[in-house]
Amino acid sequence: KAGVTQTPRYLIKTRGQQVTLSCSPISGHRSVSWYQQTPGQGLQFLFEYFSETQRNKGNFPGRFSGRQFSNSRSEMNVSTLELGDSALYLCASSLLNDGHQETQYFGPGTRLLVL
Amino acid sequence: AQTVTQSQPEMSVQEAETVTLSCTYDTSESDYYLFWYKQPPSRQMILVIRQEAYKQQNATENRFSVNFQKAAKSFSLKISDSQLGDAAMYFCAYRSAYQAGTALIFGKGTTLSVSS
Repeated sequence: KAGVTQTPRYLIKTRGQQVTLSCSPISGHRSVSWYQQTPGQGLQFLFEYFSETQRNKGNFPGRFSGRQFSNSRSEMNVSTLELGDSALYLCASSLLNDGHQETQYFGPGTRLLVL
Repeated sequence: AQTVTQSQPEMSVQEAETVTLSCTYDTSESDYYLFWYKQPPSRQMILVIRQEAYKQQNATENRFSVNFQKAAKSFSLKISDSQLGDAAMYFCAYRSAYQAGTALIFGKGTTLSVSS
């Protein structure tokens, strides 16, 4: 079974621009979560989607948004990019079992550099 | 709020030796999951092992095993017969079992180097 895929893998943007990152979960997985990884803050949770609904959101400004499509693919968008948004963005997918999220499996990440 | 602490920023081990990575967590919940993830230089986050809090038996996966001490809120990872491919950053993570869609809460990570 194919793993979680993320596109693009690398991205360079300038301050003020916006960016859209894509994540395709493992086939059959309906929950998608996004995380930001930086050297200073470590791994921080952005949001989680299930059945096209955002169920949980981390402590990030409104410039960070996401959505999920009917095929469970997810996108996240960052508007008005700031230098501090430079990070590795990780997507993770999981099954649901009895209403609980199962183990999260991660994609390879998208490395975003904001200049 | 739950927190996860990894007190060892860096560890080193010789090939074929055993190493233990430490993790402590703080929570008021009784039902949760704990994980160890490995992140090699490729940055791909790979699941190493998972433990359900309601299970007293420690999880094992081949050369990887955990020592789960619920009362002490401790969750250490033991790597036996270390291999060069084990070199990576290791993250301990917590997830509540009470609510769907909850986030993984990660520690800061431990960088493990393996020498031949």
